[in-house]
Amino acid sequence: QSVLTQPPSVSGAPGQRVTISCTGSSSNIGAGYDVHWYRQLPGTAPKLLIFGNTNRPAGVPDRFSGSKSGASASLAISGLQADDEADYYCQSYGSSLSGSVFGTGTKVTVL
Amino acid sequence: QLQLQESGPGLVEPSETLSLTCTVSGGSIRTGSYYWAWIRQPPGKGLEWIGSIFYTERTYYNPSLKSRVAISVDTSKNQFSLELTSVTAADTAVYYCARHVLVGWELFNFDYWGQGTLVTVSS
Repeated sequence: QSVLTQPPSVSGAPGQRVTISCTGSSSNIGAGYDVHWYRQLPGTAPKLLIFGNTNRPAGVPDRFSGSKSGASASLAISGLQADDEADYYCQSYGSSLSGSVFGTGTKVTVL
Repeated sequence: QLQLQESGPGLVEPSETLSLTCTVSGGSIRTGSYYWAWIRQPPGKGLEWIGSIFYTERTYYNPSLKSRVAISVDTSKNQFSLELTSVTAADTAVYYCARHVLVGWELFNFDYWGQGTLVTVSS
């Protein structure tokens, strides 16, 4: 039961910029908790892409950027590439759970 | 390089108990900066946090599963384990173990993941 809402799918042509939204509430993102993003290729474990709203782990290219405003956050992918086709999930802390909550997930398609 | 590896039965009968173990290598589970977590993903669906444990055995569970879940830690083996009781077909999923970063008092992101193991609930 995800409490963070993402669009089911987004698509773009190679080289374009796409954004994925993540909408929460006053008990998670809106309460000031940080948002993190993961990329999941088919048949593999999720991989951390962005942590603490805007930070990239070592090795993640700067084509990926995150932002947060109010009870929502966004992941932007610029210079879209064929191997960016994957599922993307946001994650935050939920005070009502005293634990982690994930987004519903977004499938990115490269046209 | 830290590595996590899940192990356990791939098939569990309905109403029985699902038991999995995560073995951590390349680092100690006895660290003050991290919890250790279980996350699951039903086939074709999204991710669900199950719960997280500190090496001192302090735990946090997803309220939706709390009545059926127990997570334990064995620091001597550098392992932590999951037990989920009274399973049904709805518990069929890929189960991942992961390192859960602790920032201050807040459970933050998951930075290292196991490869995942599929557990099917069926007779």
